[in-house]
Amino acid sequence: LAKTTQPISMDSYEGQEVNITCSHNNIATNDYITWYQQFPSQGPRFIIQGYKTKVTNEVASLFIPADRKSSTLSLPRVSLSDTAVYYCLVGDRAGGYQKVTFGTGTKLQVIP
Amino acid sequence: DAGITQSPRHKVTETGTPVTLRCHQTENHRYMYWYRQDPGHGLRLIHYSYGVKDTDKGEVSDGYSVSRSKTEDFLLTLESATSSQTSVYFCAISEGTVISPLHFGNGTRLTVT
Repeated sequence: LAKTTQPISMDSYEGQEVNITCSHNNIATNDYITWYQQFPSQGPRFIIQGYKTKVTNEVASLFIPADRKSSTLSLPRVSLSDTAVYYCLVGDRAGGYQKVTFGTGTKLQVIP
Repeated sequence: DAGITQSPRHKVTETGTPVTLRCHQTENHRYMYWYRQDPGHGLRLIHYSYGVKDTDKGEVSDGYSVSRSKTEDFLLTLESATSSQTSVYFCAISEGTVISPLHFGNGTRLTVT
């Protein structure tokens, strides 16, 4: 199983771009990288996923270097409502998520 | 948002009593999962199901059993609740393809006194 390492917490001011990096040195060929966001008292919510290079959607961008041993979630111009825990998941999901483990995530605090 | 309903949302029970948590989905997804979330541990997989009557254990399955008699329902049972099972329980679903994301319910907060 590909283990992930993320910073435990980060602080950012409103309006700034936030980059959260996840290390996954033993990522396998079949593994996708997925990021989730979790607000207090709610279940995690899918943000973005990718396999290589760059992926962008209306919420975030995901940067994955060629060696795929790390990935960076980029949140543009954060607001107070982006305060949450962000999880990086890496694993072979063919056949389900039972082989994919959640780490403890990165707690992002957006400051006014 | 994916149609996932967990019930109850909150429950307080006494040590030694049986407890059943229900997860209901309207997405017709093949895979269903039960996780628990505790401070300092993130989300840990308890049991999962890959089809009707097809279930298997996750990393923290001791003390828990599951059943799935219909595609849409996945039940988690604590046969004899213990204080160590006080936690927030999340149900999740996925289609099971390589690119399909995991969708979570809003959780059940269980307190065992």
